[in-house]
Amino acid sequence: QSALTQPASVSGSPGQSITISCTGASSDVGGHNFVSWYQQHPGKVPKLIIYDVSNRPSGVSNRFSGSKSGNTASLTISGLQVEDEADYYCSSYTTSSTLVVFGGGTQLTVL
Amino acid sequence: QVQLVESGGGVVQPGRSLRLSCAASGFTFSTYTMHWVRQAPGKGLEWVAVTSFDGNVKYYADSVKGRFTISRDNSRNTLYLQVNSLRPEDAAVYYCARVHDNSDWSSIYHWGQGTLVTVSS
Repeated sequence: QSALTQPASVSGSPGQSITISCTGASSDVGGHNFVSWYQQHPGKVPKLIIYDVSNRPSGVSNRFSGSKSGNTASLTISGLQVEDEADYYCSSYTTSSTLVVFGGGTQLTVL
Repeated sequence: QVQLVESGGGVVQPGRSLRLSCAASGFTFSTYTMHWVRQAPGKGLEWVAVTSFDGNVKYYADSVKGRFTISRDNSRNTLYLQVNSLRPEDAAVYYCARVHDNSDWSSIYHWGQGTLVTVSS
């Protein structure tokens, strides 16, 4: 069982916006601003799309945005495109002995 | 550009050992925190271990603690993962990865292509 909880799947139509949640605890998501989001297409390597809750690495579309409220972080994708169909994972720094935890992943389907 | 090339994976019997390597290039390896992350076939990402830039600080996932050891040789620009007492549930693609920057050890920016470890008798 993953330390961070994500919905197994979400879906949306092209042009719409969707939000993926990532729920943790005060020892991870709620206690620090070190939440990241990754996009992984089938058979490909994960790609960092959000770090430190809401920052985008260079080259990542501004259609991707991140936020956090309490123990829950969120990834919002606006103006959905077919190429956004992928798996999305959140991760967080944690004060537990392990340092890093991932969510179980969310499969995004663009209908 | 940043390149991370893993090697050392293969088919191994339960209980045996393996050493994974990751050759880094395109950046100053000795100044970055490095991770190993794995992904079992058809499953999600699982963080495995992290080491500080100088190798003095290390953390492990509970599932591998006491069996896996992360290390680095900054003179060879190489990251290692010694995996002992392998179990069927350790079968996965193992990714070597570099942090985005050292201010946040948990954000992983650069990933290798991975090396596959299969555990089978």
